[in-house]
Amino acid sequence: DVKVTQSSRYLVKRTGEKVFLECVQDMDHENMFWYRQDPGLGLRLIYFSYDVKMKEKGDIPEGYSVSREKKERFSLILESASTNQTSMYLCASSSPSGGVSSTDTQYFGPGTRLTVL
Amino acid sequence: GQQVMQIPQYQHVQEGEDFTTYCNSSTTLSNIQWYKQRPGGHPVFLIQLVKSGEVKKQKRLTFQFGEAKKNSSLHITATQTTDVGTYFCAGRDYGGSQGNLIFGKGTKLSVKP
Repeated sequence: DVKVTQSSRYLVKRTGEKVFLECVQDMDHENMFWYRQDPGLGLRLIYFSYDVKMKEKGDIPEGYSVSREKKERFSLILESASTNQTSMYLCASSSPSGGVSSTDTQYFGPGTRLTVL
Repeated sequence: GQQVMQIPQYQHVQEGEDFTTYCNSSTTLSNIQWYKQRPGGHPVFLIQLVKSGEVKKQKRLTFQFGEAKKNSSLHITATQTTDVGTYFCAGRDYGGSQGNLIFGKGTKLSVKP
């Protein structure tokens, strides 16, 4: 069964702290994604990765960085957490699309609700 | 950049009524996917549409992809309380990055028993 896990369901941090959010998938997927979800704003893509050590900026990368040292693991880093980064963070993975008809379904983890005080 | 607009943002229905959510893209899509997120849960893939004018059904759910491949809809017949959640469409642009989907903001459905 497909599985994406995230290191914490709930996390409380203080302003200025460095925060690591970990995501692990067991499906041998090449693609991994980090989103944040806020009421009324839907899912917004922060960063994604096509392969180990590769990363691409999404729509809202400011204040975040990522690391992909192993295929199964994709980490999101908040270098200096701020209160406006309080949100639900969702990780997802997918296999590369083989063409317009292939299904590049994204499988999501359970999410980490981060509160920055 | 590419945008995917989804309406309505919220929909409240009485159990047994029908429900429809609409998705519109600013560009032609190679495919469109639909996801459901239950309250407190994470998005889960429902279906993918690829062909122009395609219609697919899953029990009481009917998914359509427009002829121009710029819009899509999800229709639920005779809603049940188990349908509660937020429904997202997500499109892949022909010119978009590999594997990158653009998500609509979602339609939150509540069903009154």
